[in-house]
Amino acid sequence: KNEVEQSPQNLTAQEGEFITINCSYSVGISALHWLQQHPGGGIVSLFMLSSGKKKHGRLIATINIQEKHSSLHITASHPRDSAVYICASGGGADGLTFGKGTHLIIQP
Amino acid sequence: EAQVTQNPRYLITVTGKKLTVTCSQNMNHEYMSWYRQDPGLGLRQIYYSMNVEVTDKGDVPEGYKVSRKEKRNFPLILESPSPNQTSLYFCASSLGVPYNEQFFGPGTRLTVL
Repeated sequence: KNEVEQSPQNLTAQEGEFITINCSYSVGISALHWLQQHPGGGIVSLFMLSSGKKKHGRLIATINIQEKHSSLHITASHPRDSAVYICASGGGADGLTFGKGTHLIIQP
Repeated sequence: EAQVTQNPRYLITVTGKKLTVTCSQNMNHEYMSWYRQDPGLGLRQIYYSMNVEVTDKGDVPEGYKVSRKEKRNFPLILESPSPNQTSLYFCASSLGVPYNEQFFGPGTRLTVL
């Protein structure tokens, strides 16, 4: 059974800092997802990766298939980036396996 | 607008009173799934459906039922809710295979007294 571990669980940083959130998974997958959940609950998909690197605005996601590891980076962090970031891996017929999430707070 | 809708958004009920949480998507997605989210446990899959009339258990199916009679709808049924089913529930859908990008509904916060 696939297991997904995220680190750190909680992260508080100052506005403008470079943020890195890590995700490791235990079995080979077809796709790795990064999700964002703001206070109030809604979940949105940020990235879906199967190899390499993707960039969207100030967000960058990378994946190393051999090491079973992915990272989410936020450049020039802003208080509006405060949210829970969830990593999820998928490769089987039943769907995604989720990490427990990283609670990020960006202080002005 | 492409979206997944859930109703109700908030529900307080009592033990044993049957309830249904509806989920509907307008993207013609084959795959639909229900998750529950609990503090410290993250998101866990309850049931999923690969297409009409095809459903299967996820990691935590006990106490829940689902049906998929139409492609767009995937209701979650709690026949006899219990307090341990108090949780935040999300419906999601994706095109084709389940590991494609998933579109989440807004969530339903359920409290069972």
